[in-house]
Amino acid sequence: QSMLTQPPSASGTPGQRVTISCSGSSSNIGSNIVNWFQQLPGTAPKLLIFGNDQRPSGVPDRFSGSKSGTSASLAISGLRSEDEGVYHCAAWDDSLNGHWVFGGGTKLTVL
Amino acid sequence: QVQLVQSGAEVKKPGASVQVSCKASGYTFSSSTMHWVRQAPGQRLEWLGWIHIGNGDTKYSQQLEGRLTITRDTSASTTYMVLNSLTSEDTAVYFCVRDHGEDWGHGTLVTVSS
Repeated sequence: QSMLTQPPSASGTPGQRVTISCSGSSSNIGSNIVNWFQQLPGTAPKLLIFGNDQRPSGVPDRFSGSKSGTSASLAISGLRSEDEGVYHCAAWDDSLNGHWVFGGGTKLTVL
Repeated sequence: QVQLVQSGAEVKKPGASVQVSCKASGYTFSSSTMHWVRQAPGQRLEWLGWIHIGNGDTKYSQQLEGRLTITRDTSASTTYMVLNSLTSEDTAVYFCVRDHGEDWGHGTLVTVSS
Protein backbone atom coordinates (compact mmCIF):
# COMPACT_ATOMS: atom_id res chain seq x y z
CA GLN A 1 0.00 0.00 0.00
CA SER A 2 1.07 3.59 -0.62
CA MET A 3 1.95 5.76 2.35
CA LEU A 4 2.20 9.45 3.12
CA THR A 5 5.36 10.83 4.76
CA GLN A 6 5.30 13.21 7.71
CA PRO A 7 8.06 14.33 10.07
CA PRO A 8 7.80 12.32 13.30
CA SER A 9 7.95 15.39 15.52
CA ALA A 10 7.55 19.16 15.59
CA SER A 11 7.73 21.71 18.38
CA GLY A 12 7.21 25.36 19.16
CA THR A 13 6.66 27.78 21.98
CA PRO A 14 3.32 29.38 22.79
CA GLY A 15 2.36 31.99 20.24
CA GLN A 16 4.68 30.65 17.56
CA ARG A 17 3.72 29.38 14.11
CA VAL A 18 4.46 25.75 13.25
CA THR A 19 4.07 23.92 9.96
CA ILE A 20 3.80 20.18 9.40
CA SER A 21 4.46 18.69 5.97
CA CYS A 22 2.91 15.67 4.28
CA SER A 23 4.47 14.17 1.18
CA GLY A 24 2.72 11.74 -1.13
CA SER A 25 2.57 10.74 -4.78
CA SER A 26 0.56 11.23 -7.94
CA SER A 27 -1.86 8.45 -6.98
CA ASN A 28 -2.89 10.07 -3.70
CA ILE A 29 -2.17 13.73 -2.87
CA GLY A 30 -1.46 14.49 -6.52
CA SER A 31 -4.97 13.55 -7.59
CA ASN A 32 -7.15 13.68 -4.48
CA ILE A 33 -7.98 16.00 -1.61
CA VAL A 34 -6.09 15.96 1.68
CA ASN A 35 -7.61 15.86 5.14
CA TRP A 36 -5.84 16.54 8.43
CA PHE A 37 -6.76 15.00 11.78
CA GLN A 38 -5.79 16.04 15.29
CA GLN A 39 -5.41 13.31 17.90
CA LEU A 40 -5.12 14.52 21.48
CA PRO A 41 -3.73 12.10 24.08
CA GLY A 42 -6.07 9.20 24.77
CA THR A 43 -8.72 10.27 22.27
CA ALA A 44 -9.88 9.38 18.77
CA PRO A 45 -8.68 11.50 15.85
CA LYS A 46 -10.76 14.58 15.07
CA LEU A 47 -11.19 16.18 11.63
CA LEU A 48 -9.20 19.41 11.55
CA ILE A 49 -8.95 20.28 7.84
CA PHE A 50 -10.90 18.78 4.91
CA GLY A 51 -10.71 19.34 1.18
CA ASN A 52 -7.08 20.50 1.44
CA ASP A 53 -7.82 23.84 3.11
CA GLN A 54 -11.33 23.88 4.61
CA ARG A 55 -12.04 24.04 8.33
CA PRO A 56 -15.07 22.28 9.86
CA SER A 57 -17.19 24.57 12.00
CA GLY A 58 -15.70 24.97 15.43
CA VAL A 59 -12.07 24.65 14.32
CA PRO A 60 -10.20 27.92 15.03
CA ASP A 61 -8.77 29.84 12.10
CA ARG A 62 -5.34 29.38 13.71
CA PHE A 63 -5.33 26.10 11.77
CA SER A 64 -4.85 26.24 8.00
CA GLY A 65 -4.08 23.73 5.27
CA SER A 66 -2.59 23.92 1.81
CA LYS A 67 -1.65 21.59 -1.02
CA SER A 68 0.75 21.85 -3.94
CA GLY A 69 1.41 19.01 -6.34
CA THR A 70 2.05 15.86 -4.34
CA SER A 71 2.61 17.59 -1.00
CA ALA A 72 0.43 19.22 1.62
CA SER A 73 1.04 21.29 4.73
CA LEU A 74 -0.73 22.09 7.95
CA ALA A 75 0.06 25.40 9.64
CA ILE A 76 -0.78 26.25 13.23
CA SER A 77 -0.36 29.87 14.25
CA GLY A 78 -0.60 31.34 17.74
CA LEU A 79 0.45 27.99 19.19
CA ARG A 80 -1.31 27.02 22.45
CA SER A 81 -0.55 24.33 25.01
CA GLU A 82 -3.81 22.54 24.18
CA ASP A 83 -2.57 22.02 20.61
CA GLU A 84 -0.13 19.40 21.87
CA GLY A 85 -0.95 16.05 20.27
CA VAL A 86 -0.45 14.03 17.11
CA TYR A 87 -1.43 15.34 13.68
CA HIS A 88 -2.21 12.94 10.82
CA CYS A 89 -2.62 13.70 7.12
CA ALA A 90 -4.79 11.47 4.93
CA ALA A 91 -5.76 11.16 1.28
CA TRP A 92 -7.56 8.72 -0.94
CA ASP A 93 -5.17 6.66 -3.10
CA ASP A 94 -6.28 5.50 -6.53
CA SER A 95 -3.97 2.48 -6.69
CA LEU A 96 -4.90 -1.07 -5.68
CA ASN A 97 -8.58 -0.44 -6.44
CA GLY A 98 -8.62 2.59 -4.16
CA HIS A 99 -7.87 2.93 -0.47
CA TRP A 100 -7.40 5.60 2.20
CA VAL A 101 -3.75 6.29 3.10
CA PHE A 102 -2.44 8.06 6.17
CA GLY A 103 0.79 9.71 7.16
CA GLY A 104 2.75 8.34 10.06
CA GLY A 105 1.61 11.16 12.32
CA THR A 106 3.57 14.14 13.67
CA LYS A 107 3.80 14.58 17.43
CA LEU A 108 3.56 18.28 18.22
CA THR A 109 5.13 19.43 21.47
CA VAL A 110 4.42 22.89 22.87
CA LEU A 111 7.54 23.85 24.81
CA GLN B 1 -25.13 15.76 17.60
CA VAL B 2 -23.49 12.89 15.74
CA GLN B 3 -22.49 9.94 17.89
CA LEU B 4 -20.73 6.73 16.91
CA VAL B 5 -20.80 4.33 19.84
CA GLN B 6 -18.61 1.27 19.54
CA SER B 7 -18.71 -2.05 21.38
CA GLY B 8 -16.32 -2.79 24.22
CA ALA B 9 -12.77 -4.08 24.35
CA GLU B 10 -12.07 -7.65 23.26
CA VAL B 11 -9.35 -10.17 24.09
CA LYS B 12 -8.98 -13.00 21.59
CA LYS B 13 -6.67 -15.94 21.03
CA PRO B 14 -4.71 -16.34 17.78
CA GLY B 15 -6.86 -17.89 15.08
CA ALA B 16 -10.12 -16.61 16.54
CA SER B 17 -12.52 -14.03 15.07
CA VAL B 18 -13.67 -10.71 16.49
CA GLN B 19 -16.74 -8.59 15.81
CA VAL B 20 -16.83 -4.87 16.58
CA SER B 21 -20.06 -2.88 16.27
CA CYS B 22 -20.63 0.84 15.73
CA LYS B 23 -24.07 2.35 16.47
CA ALA B 24 -24.72 5.68 14.77
CA SER B 25 -27.07 8.49 15.72
CA GLY B 26 -27.59 12.18 14.99
CA TYR B 27 -27.51 12.04 11.19
CA THR B 28 -29.12 10.27 8.23
CA PHE B 29 -27.47 6.86 8.54
CA SER B 30 -28.87 5.45 5.30
CA SER B 31 -27.22 8.02 3.06
CA SER B 32 -23.70 7.71 4.43
CA THR B 33 -20.62 5.55 4.22
CA MET B 34 -18.74 4.07 7.14
CA HIS B 35 -15.04 3.36 7.16
CA TRP B 36 -13.10 1.18 9.56
CA VAL B 37 -9.60 2.29 10.53
CA ARG B 38 -7.21 0.76 13.04
CA GLN B 39 -4.22 2.01 14.99
CA ALA B 40 -1.72 -0.57 16.24
CA PRO B 41 0.59 0.46 19.10
CA GLY B 42 3.17 2.92 17.78
CA GLN B 43 1.94 2.52 14.20
CA ARG B 44 0.21 4.82 11.74
CA LEU B 45 -3.52 4.77 11.16
CA GLU B 46 -4.45 1.99 8.74
CA TRP B 47 -7.58 1.99 6.58
CA LEU B 48 -9.37 -1.37 6.61
CA GLY B 49 -12.40 -0.87 4.41
CA TRP B 50 -15.76 0.84 4.00
CA ILE B 51 -19.41 0.14 3.42
CA HIS B 52 -21.98 2.24 1.59
CA ILE B 53 -24.90 2.16 4.02
CA GLY B 54 -27.56 2.72 1.36
CA ASN B 55 -26.77 -0.18 -0.99
CA GLY B 56 -24.40 -2.29 1.15
CA ASP B 57 -21.51 -2.08 -1.31
CA THR B 58 -18.16 -2.73 0.34
CA LYS B 59 -14.49 -2.17 -0.42
CA TYR B 60 -11.67 -3.73 1.55
CA SER B 61 -7.95 -3.17 1.96
CA GLN B 62 -6.13 -5.65 -0.25
CA GLN B 63 -4.01 -6.65 2.74
CA LEU B 64 -7.09 -7.82 4.64
CA GLU B 65 -9.33 -9.02 1.83
CA GLY B 66 -10.51 -12.51 2.66
CA ARG B 67 -10.29 -11.97 6.44
CA LEU B 68 -12.44 -8.86 6.82
CA THR B 69 -16.21 -8.48 6.46
CA ILE B 70 -18.12 -5.24 6.98
CA THR B 71 -21.92 -5.30 7.19
CA ARG B 72 -24.68 -2.99 8.31
CA ASP B 73 -28.14 -3.20 9.86
CA THR B 74 -30.04 -0.13 8.72
CA SER B 75 -32.93 -0.81 11.14
CA ALA B 76 -30.47 -0.60 14.04
CA SER B 77 -28.28 2.16 12.53
CA THR B 78 -25.34 -0.10 13.24
CA THR B 79 -22.28 -1.17 11.28
CA TYR B 80 -20.33 -4.35 12.05
CA MET B 81 -16.74 -5.32 11.36
CA VAL B 82 -15.67 -8.96 11.58
CA LEU B 83 -11.99 -9.91 11.32
CA ASN B 84 -11.09 -13.61 11.09
CA SER B 85 -7.92 -15.65 11.65
CA LEU B 86 -6.53 -13.16 14.14
CA THR B 87 -2.80 -12.88 14.83
CA SER B 88 -0.86 -10.73 17.26
CA GLU B 89 -0.39 -8.21 14.44
CA ASP B 90 -4.13 -7.49 14.60
CA THR B 91 -3.78 -6.08 18.12
CA ALA B 92 -4.93 -2.48 17.72
CA VAL B 93 -7.59 0.09 18.49
CA TYR B 94 -10.33 -0.15 15.86
CA PHE B 95 -12.33 2.96 14.89
CA CYS B 96 -15.47 3.44 12.81
CA VAL B 97 -15.32 6.66 10.82
CA ARG B 98 -18.20 8.46 9.07
CA ASP B 99 -18.01 9.50 5.42
CA HIS B 100 -14.84 11.58 4.90
CA GLY B 101 -13.66 11.54 8.50
CA GLU B 102 -16.17 14.02 9.95
CA ASP B 103 -16.85 11.82 12.96
CA TRP B 104 -15.02 8.95 14.65
CA GLY B 105 -16.11 6.34 17.13
CA HIS B 106 -14.30 6.30 20.46
CA GLY B 107 -12.33 3.21 19.45
CA THR B 108 -12.38 -0.44 20.49
CA LEU B 109 -9.21 -2.12 21.74
CA VAL B 110 -8.77 -5.61 20.32
CA THR B 111 -5.97 -7.60 21.92
CA VAL B 112 -4.83 -10.88 20.37
CA SER B 113 -2.82 -12.96 22.80
CA SER B 114 -2.33 -16.60 23.61
